Amino acid sequence: QVQLQQSGPGLVIPSQTLSLTCALSGDSVSSNSAAWNWIRQSPSRGLEWLGRTYHRSRWYNDYAVSVKSRMTINPDTSKNQFSLQLKSVTPEDTAVYYCARGVFTFDCWGQGILVTVSS
Amino acid sequence: EIVLTQSPGTLSLSPGERATLSCRASQIVSSNSLAWFQQKPGQAPRLLIYDASSRATGIPDRFSGSGSGTDFSLTISRLEPADFAVYYCQQYVTSPMCTFGQGTKLEIK
Repeated sequence: QVQLQQSGPGLVIPSQTLSLTCALSGDSVSSNSAAWNWIRQSPSRGLEWLGRTYHRSRWYNDYAVSVKSRMTINPDTSKNQFSLQLKSVTPEDTAVYYCARGVFTFDCWGQGILVTVSS
Repeated sequence: EIVLTQSPGTLSLSPGERATLSCRASQIVSSNSLAWFQQKPGQAPRLLIYDASSRATGIPDRFSGSGSGTDFSLTISRLEPADFAVYYCQQYVTSPMCTFGQGTKLEIK
């Protein structure tokens, strides 16, 4: 059974970097058939896909246009996890952040972390 | 960007009744690249339907998806108390740049 366990702070200061981690069990971040995504949800923006990392002979990353300049997703094969870093956050980045597995749609999700951007 | 509009915003029904939720796309969603999710308070979304009409693993056959082109629907044949939740559609024809609808809240009448 695949499980995704998220960790990270629930409060980030404006202009700082938001960092979250998603640890996998029951699947491998290096899988050649899966992709590992970050999605967020807020009342103002709804569900918003942010980006993904996946391995197909080499590592690939894709990012949403809205966050591309500020976002980095990194796989960590030694710990079987992947991480999100979102730089220069503003209060508009306040949301519940989810990690999820899926190439086209998302069949397995982390539990979600509410991240509040506030001083 | 493909915009998905879900209707109604809120649907009030009783257990045992049939629910039909709609998702309309601003452009044709080819290859029926549309999914449905259920979300309960404090939980992550749960995949119900993918490719417009295929049930995800473990989803009961009370849930069915249909549609093509720009008009899709999710039907729950006989509502059970656990089915009252918010439902979202998602298009992935523009994968990875997918989009979600704004949701339909299914509440107990």
